[in-house]
Amino acid sequence: KQEVTQIPAALSVPEGENLVLNCSFTDSAIYNLQWFRQDPGKGLTSLLLIQSSQREQTSGRLNASLDKSSGRSTLYIAASQPGDSATYLCAVTLYNNNDMRFGAGTRLTVKP
Amino acid sequence: DVKVTQSSRYLVKRTGEKVFLECVQDMDHENMFWYRQDPGLGLRLIYFSYDVKMKEKGDIPEGYSVSREKKERFSLILESASTNQTSMYLCASSAGEVGQPQHFGDGTRLSIL
Repeated sequence: KQEVTQIPAALSVPEGENLVLNCSFTDSAIYNLQWFRQDPGKGLTSLLLIQSSQREQTSGRLNASLDKSSGRSTLYIAASQPGDSATYLCAVTLYNNNDMRFGAGTRLTVKP
Repeated sequence: DVKVTQSSRYLVKRTGEKVFLECVQDMDHENMFWYRQDPGLGLRLIYFSYDVKMKEKGDIPEGYSVSREKKERFSLILESASTNQTSMYLCASSAGEVGQPQHFGDGTRLSIL
């Protein structure tokens, strides 16, 4: 059974720092991996989607990498801002269907 | 932009009540999903649907049922609400092709007293 783990569970950094969030998954037979942002009391907003054949995706200050063989993905946030404070979740789509498995998330706080 | 709308942001019900959570999407998506989210556990899939009148069990279907009479609407039903169903419920939709991104509603925070 696919298990998705995110480390750390919570992270607090001063504004301006570059940071890395980690996601690992136990079964490399995935279709894609997606990173989401969730603000308190809100739904999920998709940030980046990496297909299984890709190594990375970039959007603005965000860069997500995927190493399928080792079951790892990282989300890199450059020059963090207080507005980046949120919970970040990663999820893998299981191969050949639309079923997704989510990690429990990393709660990020960026202090001014 | 895809819009997924959940009918209630907050809901308080009593043990034993039949509870309906409604979700509507406006992008003609084939797939719709219901998740619950609990602290430390992430999102867990309750039910999903690939088409009208079609449903599949997710990881935790016990105590829940669903209805999809129209393509744009997916309802989650708690047949007899219990306190352990207090949670945040999230609805999502996606286009029919495998691996398409899921788009989420804002969630319903349900409390069962």
